[in-house]
Amino acid sequence: DSGVTQTPKHLITATGQRVTLRCSPRSGDLSVYWYQQSLDQGLQFLIQYYNGEERAKGNILERFSAQQFPDLHSELNLSSLELGDSALYFCASSVGAGVSYNEQFFGPGTRLTVL
Amino acid sequence: AQKVTQAQTEISVVEKEDVTLDCVYETRDTTYYLFWYKQPPSGELVFLIRRNSFDEQNEISGRYSWNFQKSTSSFNFTITASQVVDSAVYFCALSEAPSRGSEKLVFGKGTKLTVNP
Repeated sequence: DSGVTQTPKHLITATGQRVTLRCSPRSGDLSVYWYQQSLDQGLQFLIQYYNGEERAKGNILERFSAQQFPDLHSELNLSSLELGDSALYFCASSVGAGVSYNEQFFGPGTRLTVL
Repeated sequence: AQKVTQAQTEISVVEKEDVTLDCVYETRDTTYYLFWYKQPPSGELVFLIRRNSFDEQNEISGRYSWNFQKSTSSFNFTITASQVVDSAVYFCALSEAPSRGSEKLVFGKGTKLTVNP
């Protein structure tokens, strides 16, 4: 158990809908990363937050947005869903960012199926 | 730009065979980190090893060993005497230096290893 929790574990929805994925980092971790694992794109970095602020952005679609709240949990919002958004979404957390290397600990993932 | 290439999409071996998973990376940074992760059929990502760019010593952990060669930009992973439980998708990943502000991981496409009894 990495200490990172993600809810829900599975999500099935329809095209055009909007969903929210939630991630609670390990206690004490300030950084949260989101990754998407799809058949087409493989495992790719989406976005990182550090202590409530956006720190780095990857291949995140404009239909997707994220935020990190004062209690450090993070939410990834996916809107106008398309079939191609079906994927396993991972959250990872680490202590900090930008000084010395900080290990990332991965949550179990949320499997999103868009029908 | 950073890139990780795992040329082997799928490998199938018979139990007790040795198997090597290849990983080639590209980066312009002099400080970087390399990783291997295992993703069993259950789907979670299991961390196996991290190596920094200044540490070229090979590492052995039980039946697992890693060969890091900066000269060829490779970080290969060998499983000795493979077992059925080793069946999984294995990912190689690269992270840039923390001083760049983010340790986001760049993953290869993964190698699916099937160990048959």
